[in-house]
Parts: sequence; structure tokens; C-alpha cells
Amino acid sequence: GESVGLHLPTLSVQEGDNSIINCAYSNSASDYFIWYKQESGKGPQFIIDIRSNMDKRQGQRVTVLLNKTVKHLSLQIAATQPGDSAVYFCAESGAGSYQLTFGKGTKLSVIP
Amino acid sequence: EAGVAQSPRYKIIEKRQSVAFWCNPISGHATLYWYQQILGQGPKLLIQFQNNGVVDDSQLPKDRFSAERLKGVDSTLKIQPAKLEDSAVYLCASSFFGGSGYEQYFGPGTRLTVT
Repeated sequence: GESVGLHLPTLSVQEGDNSIINCAYSNSASDYFIWYKQESGKGPQFIIDIRSNMDKRQGQRVTVLLNKTVKHLSLQIAATQPGDSAVYFCAESGAGSYQLTFGKGTKLSVIP
Repeated sequence: EAGVAQSPRYKIIEKRQSVAFWCNPISGHATLYWYQQILGQGPKLLIQFQNNGVVDDSQLPKDRFSAERLKGVDSTLKIQPAKLEDSAVYLCASSFFGGSGYEQYFGPGTRLTVT
């Protein structure tokens, strides 16, 4: 079946640098995308979302970019902090579907 | 506002035993989800409720898993009998409404180890 996946399983960045986490999706009917952050021992926490009629959305220190042509999603974290260390998941849902499909996750480690 | 509550947080059982997990969603959230998260993977939806009715249970292994949400509020997920491959974190999530575009709020999960 169609699924959402991630290019890199791990990412290490220096504190203060910007982080970019990538995600590829295969369902061309997907119309809603979410990034979640999951810290050890906790449930996923919503970071930011974007609908398919947009190509960019900004939050506090985070930006999500959507490229529908190549079915690619990215999460940019500005001035990465130690508290950003976690596993990041992208998730998507298709038009008319209630089901949220998660990718496998990227582990972000911030080096002090 | 209080978050999604789950209990127990940890459970260790032997294979072929039974286990039950409990979830209390955020007050006012009509939609409740149960996910299974195997170590190193993203959560996988098992079942979705809208109030006390099942919206989607296509990925629930119905020969051993069951779930209910009798009064449209809290929910239980049961596994009987458990297998080794059921070892995972079981996450409960809720949202104000179902459908694309509604943020799901997750509980802390129950970590199940089957030996």
C-alpha cells in the first residue's frame, strides 16, 4: 500500500544551527500533512501542519515546506536547541480519509 | 486543559495471557484512536471511534484484539491471547472531530512487553 517514509533515520546538528528533516510520500491524493515530535517515553506531540493547497507554512522556529510535484515534505527548525532532541514523524491523510499514516521517523540529536 | 490519559503506563505479560489498556480522551473530543507503535517505527492506526461507533477498524487484528467505547468517552483496548509480536507501545489519541485536518492529541502510551 502507499505509505509515508523518511530519507534519513538519524540527524545530528550543533546547537544553534538550523535542522532540516525530510519526508517523502507516495499517495498523490494526500491533502493534509503533519509533523509530530516524540520525546522518549511520551506520545507524539503536534508541531505544525500544512494542507495541500499551500507550499509553505511557518510557526515558531519551525517551517514546513511541501513540494507536491516531487511528493516531498520537509521540516525546518531554526536555531536548534537541546530540547529539540527527539524523533520527528511526518504523517499524512488522503482526501476523504480519516486515517493518518505515519512515516518511520527521524531521530534528531542536538550537540551542545 | 487535561490531556489524554492512559493506564497502565507499563505492562509485562507472558504470551497467551490477556491484557487490557484504558484511555480517557480530552473532554469534548468525539473522536478517539488507538495506535500501535513498534520500536523504531511510526504509529499504526488500529481503530478509530466517532463517539461510541467504530469508523475504521480495518487494521485491527480482530482474532485477538478488541476495543470498545461504550459511553462515547473512555475506551478500552484488549488483547487476548497476546503474542510476542504484540510487544509495542499502545497509544491513544483524540480529536475534536474526525476527518482530515483535525489535530490528534496523543496520550503517553502503554508500553507492553510480551515474554
